[in-house]
Amino acid sequence: QSALTQPASVSGSPGQSITISCTGTSSDVGGYNYVSWYQQHPGKAPKLMIYEVSNRPSGVPDRFSGSKSGNTASLTISGLQAEDEADYYCSSYTSSSTQVFGGGTKLTVL
Amino acid sequence: QVQLQQSGPGLVKPSQTLSLTCAISGDSVSSNSAAWNWIRQSPSRGLEWLGRTYYRSKWYNDYAVSVKSRITINPDTSKNQFSLQLNSVTPEDTAVYYCARDPGGSYLRFAFDIWGQGTMVTVSS
Repeated sequence: QSALTQPASVSGSPGQSITISCTGTSSDVGGYNYVSWYQQHPGKAPKLMIYEVSNRPSGVPDRFSGSKSGNTASLTISGLQAEDEADYYCSSYTSSSTQVFGGGTKLTVL
Repeated sequence: QVQLQQSGPGLVKPSQTLSLTCAISGDSVSSNSAAWNWIRQSPSRGLEWLGRTYYRSKWYNDYAVSVKSRITINPDTSKNQFSLQLNSVTPEDTAVYYCARDPGGSYLRFAFDIWGQGTMVTVSS
């Protein structure tokens, strides 16, 4: 199972919006509404930000939103804040009853 | 509040077996809604899902194709924990290993809401 494709890096200024893409295939992202997104700060465990494409767990700010079109899922962060600077990973369920992650995107808040 | 506490050695010799344990508090390994996962992270392989165990009237396991021939994930109901065993390790298995919960519900969410603290495992002689 190949990893999902994410841009290596994105950047934005405080207050701006950014979008991170996550491209898979019809056997994973495109085939199921089981895409999740994780935020990871250095030396910490990943934190769930979005599940089932667009649902936010309790406690996650509504500045974080998710969507999907075809084989590509997206995470949008609006009103960027300094503490949003982190690595972001997508994940999807697959047709093999397994799960696959993206390669990760480093978000820099300028 | 659900917490996962990992334990196990940080150094394993090549060809030997990597063994880690994840103790659960605030939930049950025998839950009929959750699933219990192992995930690892390395600079070369990024985040890699390894497998899960879950109980739905009987025990089920799913494993990543990349490790399927070498991995076992077992629940331990007496201690409310689950374990990872990875056989015949090589330096490529060097990574930070995490246990994580899929909270499930009426169905698995295929997302990980609670993570262990991570264990750095180095495979070296």
